[in-house]
Amino acid sequence: QVQLIQSGAEVKKPGASVRVSCKASGYTFTGHYMHWLRQAPGQGLEYMGQINVKNGNTGYVQKFQGRVTMARDTSVNTVYLELSRLTSDDTAVYYCVREGFLPPNRHTQDFDHWGQGTLVTVSS
Amino acid sequence: QSALTQPASVSGSPGQSITISCTGTNSDIGASNYVSWYQQHPGKVPKLMISEVSNRPSGVSDRFSASKSGNTASLTISGLQAEDEADYYCCSGSPYVFATGTRVTVL
Repeated sequence: QVQLIQSGAEVKKPGASVRVSCKASGYTFTGHYMHWLRQAPGQGLEYMGQINVKNGNTGYVQKFQGRVTMARDTSVNTVYLELSRLTSDDTAVYYCVREGFLPPNRHTQDFDHWGQGTLVTVSS
Repeated sequence: QSALTQPASVSGSPGQSITISCTGTNSDIGASNYVSWYQQHPGKVPKLMISEVSNRPSGVSDRFSASKSGNTASLTISGLQAEDEADYYCCSGSPYVFATGTRVTVL
């Protein structure tokens, strides 16, 4: 079965960077785009960006441009999110999510499998 | 990209039907065939309930249905059950934008 297993909770100081990993299993890793979302405490879902796992191309929401990096390592079926220059506003649960795909070539632009979430707390 | 708009809360009694609206613009909902809906129980991971405006993924109850008209998408829950009490979010496809979310309460 499809599984997305994320790295554990992080506590960071303002100005620091954080890296969250997401290891995929149960499907062809390069066959699906991966995305990152976040959810601040008591708030709704916020979209951050995506990575084409096959070729590594990325697309980020303008709000995060310049301080977000998404990457993948196909040798270990893992995608990564790095966010720099953290502030307290970045305190949130970060989710990696898989985009749906219908053969032979339709990406469904939805999020059909989710990681368990990684809580990132930014506090001095 | 501004968030899509949903009512903050919707409630209904067991067995009733409720509808959650999701309003956007002709740049997102109005222009997209890729509207999806997610259910999130408190403290849990969101779950895909509806894909591509009105398609139910395997395993999702047929009590959940959805549609779109113009710049507004809608999710209907029929035969409301206690287990349906959760937060619901709609999302428009690329460029991706989420709605503010609706808390569904079963009275």
